[in-house]
Amino acid sequence: KQEVTQIPAALSVPEGENLVLNCSFTDSAIYNLQWFRQDPGKGLTSLLLIQSSQREQTSGRLNASLDKSSGRSTLYIAASQPGDSATYLCAVIKGSGNTGKLIFGQGTTLQVKP
Amino acid sequence: ETGVTQTPRHLVMGMTNKKSLKCEQHLGHNAMYWYKQSAKKPLELMFVYNFKEQTENNSVPSRFSPECPNSSHLFLHLHTLQPEDSALYLCASSKKFPPEGGNQPQHFGDGTRLSIL
Repeated sequence: KQEVTQIPAALSVPEGENLVLNCSFTDSAIYNLQWFRQDPGKGLTSLLLIQSSQREQTSGRLNASLDKSSGRSTLYIAASQPGDSATYLCAVIKGSGNTGKLIFGQGTTLQVKP
Repeated sequence: ETGVTQTPRHLVMGMTNKKSLKCEQHLGHNAMYWYKQSAKKPLELMFVYNFKEQTENNSVPSRFSPECPNSSHLFLHLHTLQPEDSALYLCASSKKFPPEGGNQPQHFGDGTRLSIL
């Protein structure tokens, strides 16, 4: 059974700091991995999608890496801003018997202090 | 504007009531999803519809009944719910359905916050 774990559960940093959020998954047979952002009372916004054949994806100040063999992904946020404060969710789609089922971690709640 | 609209945003109902949640997307997507987000738990997939056909029921109790009349609309009919069903219910859509659509990101609505009295 695929399980997704995100560490830490919460993180507070001063503005301007670079930071890394971690995601690990137990079954390396994944189809792809997505990072989402969720603001309080809102739905999820897709940030980055990494296909199983890729090692990383970049969008602006965000960089996500994927190491399938070790079952790990990281989301790197450069020069953090107060507007980055949100909960960040990692999710994988399993490769075998693929039904499009996204399996989510519990998220990391980030607070960036001015 | 996410492209996926959910109504109502908040719903309070008693355990004997019947209500429906609505989801609408005009992104031209063919797959739609219902998720449940409870406090302290990961998001859980409930149902998947592909071209209006249900392709996944993730062992959801029968008190939740989905309906997909067309590729743009998805409903979740609720009846005789339990207090533990209180949660944020999120709808999502994607362009294609896996396996070939596995690399299409899912777009989420803002959810319906459901409270069962």
